[in-house]
Amino acid sequence: EVHLLESGGGLVQPGGSLRLSCAASGFTFSTYAMSWVRQAPGKGLEWVSGISGSGTGTYYADSVKGRFTISRDNSKNTLSLQMNSLRAEDTAVYYCAKVSESYQLLTPLKVWGQGTLVTVSS
Amino acid sequence: QSALTQPASVSGSPGQSITISCTGTSSDVGGYNYVSWYQQHPDKAPKLMIYGVSNRPSGVSNRFSGSKSGNTASLTISGLQAEDEADYYCSSYTSRNTLVFGGGTRVTVL
Repeated sequence: EVHLLESGGGLVQPGGSLRLSCAASGFTFSTYAMSWVRQAPGKGLEWVSGISGSGTGTYYADSVKGRFTISRDNSKNTLSLQMNSLRAEDTAVYYCAKVSESYQLLTPLKVWGQGTLVTVSS
Repeated sequence: QSALTQPASVSGSPGQSITISCTGTSSDVGGYNYVSWYQQHPDKAPKLMIYGVSNRPSGVSNRFSGSKSGNTASLTISGLQAEDEADYYCSSYTSRNTLVFGGGTRVTVL
């Protein structure tokens, strides 16, 4: 069974950093593109970043470009999101998600993790 | 990158059909057949319901269907059931190699 498990969320002060991880299992991780999607409390979904299966292609929303870095370790079946210069508006549940087929890049997102909450507050 | 435009809420009685619209631009919805729809129940992760404008993943009821005309995509739920009450989000690939979501639509079964 395909499974994604996020970790690393927590409370961080404005301007601080946090690193999220997503442990993948049940599929050949290196052949599928992955994305991070966030959802602020009571708000809608916002795509944050995506990465190709090989890791050579990375893509970002304007709202996080230059502050967040997506990466993956295919030897450990792990997706990461390094978040720097965090702001209050980055407060959200962060989901990692897997595309449906290996030839797809950013869409559609077929499998989602349960999410990890990031709170940016002093 | 602006979010795609969806109505905030749509409601219907059990057994009825409802349609949710999702309006973008020629740089996203209108330019690609990469529109997806997601269902999200409270405190749950989103679930893929429609991909590639009108395709249903295995296991999704055929009561859900998708279409597109110009810059507007639509999700239709026929034979509305109580379990369909949830938030629905459209998404589209964009010309900037990004993904954009709609603001979400709350579906209420009366």
